[in-house]
Amino acid sequence: DTEVTQTPKHLVMGMTNKKSLKCEQHMGHRAMYWYKQKAKKPPELMFVYSYEKLSINESVPSRFSPECPNSSLLNLHLHALQPEDSALYLCASSQEAGGETQYFGPGTRLLVL
Amino acid sequence: DAKTTQPTSMDCAEGRAANLPCNHSTISGNEYVYWYRQIHSQGPQYIIHGLKNNETNEMASLIITEDRKSSTLILPHATLRDTAVYYCIVRPPWVVTGGGNKLTFGTGTQLKVEL
Repeated sequence: DTEVTQTPKHLVMGMTNKKSLKCEQHMGHRAMYWYKQKAKKPPELMFVYSYEKLSINESVPSRFSPECPNSSLLNLHLHALQPEDSALYLCASSQEAGGETQYFGPGTRLLVL
Repeated sequence: DAKTTQPTSMDCAEGRAANLPCNHSTISGNEYVYWYRQIHSQGPQYIIHGLKNNETNEMASLIITEDRKSSTLILPHATLRDTAVYYCIVRPPWVVTGGGNKLTFGTGTQLKVEL
């Protein structure tokens, strides 16, 4: 099973809302990632978790709050977002120690009104 | 990470080989060349990677020049389903980056496969 699942597929939220994106993998991978992709642009790395600890934060605004409750789950908590945060949010995972391939989920398309 | 340069777009007839070039003239000795693709509205998909030698798998072949300053991804018999944005990425091995495999995507090549 090489599947990374993401829920929801689509999300519309107001600037005062709090919402969460969820990502799940059952491949035993120990590294998980959040990327943001604006329309017609390449994906941009936001966060990396390694062994359930945050290892890379690419200077992402605090209105985005990642969480890794266990090795299979990755959440992205959203609060007080701006319309320019509307994008496709992609989750990925990879093995540690020699794992070279990242497996991506289908993404959550977020619209902030 | 080394920067890559790819053509913005390419066309290919269905059934023909699609040859997608990538320049990475500043690549370091321990950096790998990765190829991913992204079909419209889907997550990126890993295709192949290599260090020095040419590589082949069920999806594609990767040809890396001897000086490693450029590479070519070959889809031997392109189909309409291969229409996608293809990303060439250069990155150091995990043991250098630590904490996970950081991928920096460039702008990629939009490949359009037509009948």
